[in-house]
Amino acid sequence: QVQLQESGPGLVKPSETLSLICTVSGYSISSGYFWGWIRQPPGKGLEWIGGFFPSGNTYYNPSLKSRVTISVDTSKNQFSLKLNSVTAADTAVYYCARGIPDYWGQGTLVTVSS
Amino acid sequence: EIVMTQSPATLSVSPGERATLSCRASQSVSSNLAWYQQKPGQAPRLLIYGASTRATGIPARFSGSGSGTDFTLTISSLQSEDFAVYYCQQYNNWPRTFGQGTKLEIK
Repeated sequence: QVQLQESGPGLVKPSETLSLICTVSGYSISSGYFWGWIRQPPGKGLEWIGGFFPSGNTYYNPSLKSRVTISVDTSKNQFSLKLNSVTAADTAVYYCARGIPDYWGQGTLVTVSS
Repeated sequence: EIVMTQSPATLSVSPGERATLSCRASQSVSSNLAWYQQKPGQAPRLLIYGASTRATGIPARFSGSGSGTDFTLTISSLQSEDFAVYYCQQYNNWPRTFGQGTKLEIK
């Protein structure tokens, strides 16, 4: 079955770069579907950060576009998120997901604090 | 950006009763609308896609309807495990956007 797992630091200092990796098992990223990152601040709603098709098109939320990079490593069946110049407003649970999405990772809480 | 508005914010319903949740888009999203259930500490779970197609393993008591700008999620007979927060999401345009959620609570 398809599984996604986020990994990365749970604490990032203000102005630094948040970096997360999503490792996919049970399905090859290069086989298709849209893959992306979604976040949820504590007690709040869901927000798409960005995503990509294996064919090459990458999409970023305009509200975050200047600070976000999403990349893929098909050899490891992983994709990554980098969000720079973080502030406390970037504190959230970060999810990686496939498709609509139909499959989600369990989420990882990233706190921005000094 | 398409704004998704859910109503009500909180819905209090007794077990065994019917719950009706609404989602409105600021412009047409065709049938590219999904519904999710989220419980505390868990990732959202896909219930409905294509506005009315149940995802794999979703009980028949969940149904979705609508197209264009107005959508409804109906839970025909509430079970204890159905009390959660429900989100709609459009995937017709980028950025994909979610509604703010409806909290379904026990009356």
